[in-house]
Amino acid sequence: AQKITQTQPGMFVQEKEAVTLDCTYDTSDPSYGLFWYKQPSSGEMIFLIYQGSYDQQNATEGRYSLNFQKARKSANLVISASQLGDSAMYFCAMRAGATGTASKLTFGTGTRLQVTL
Amino acid sequence: DAGITQSPRHKVTETGTPVTLRCHQTENHRYMYWYRQDPGHGLRLIHYSYGVKDTDKGEVSDGYSVSRSKTEDFLLTLESATSSQTSVYFCAISESVLQSNEQFFGPGTRLTVL
Repeated sequence: AQKITQTQPGMFVQEKEAVTLDCTYDTSDPSYGLFWYKQPSSGEMIFLIYQGSYDQQNATEGRYSLNFQKARKSANLVISASQLGDSAMYFCAMRAGATGTASKLTFGTGTRLQVTL
Repeated sequence: DAGITQSPRHKVTETGTPVTLRCHQTENHRYMYWYRQDPGHGLRLIHYSYGVKDTDKGEVSDGYSVSRSKTEDFLLTLESATSSQTSVYFCAISESVLQSNEQFFGPGTRLTVL
């Protein structure tokens, strides 16, 4: 069975500062993918970033980067230069198994990020 | 944005009544999914589909059924709604040819069972 753990229910960060949202995972499958999604107060789920288990480099997408530490089974999201619009719930998710099949995701319970002035 | 719509967006129903939620996509993606979101649980997979008429169970499938008669439509049915099925339901789509096979989500349906 797969499991995603997000231990930070809520986080605060000042505008323009960087923040790290923690995510640890557990799977016995050697091939897997890790995702981060953002859910603003309006409710939609927005895909942010992806890391494959065999990817050699940490994924980056604009101000988002994924700090992937395979041996520690962690996939932390780093948001640089926080903006007020980053205030939202953030979910870490995992797909066990290779691409090419249905991408069944296991989600963590989320971290609510609040960006302050 | 991926073309995914869900209907209805809000529904209030009574215990014991049947409910059908519809997900419609215009992206021609092969895979479609239904999740429910509850406080403290994140999103949990109910059912998914890997093609027309091809469906399988997810983590929390009890009390739910699905059907996919066309590529673009994926229906979720609660045969006899219970209060424990009060939740926000999300449909998602994905296409395996994408390296990440990330899922794109619909806007969600808020269902209240009284």
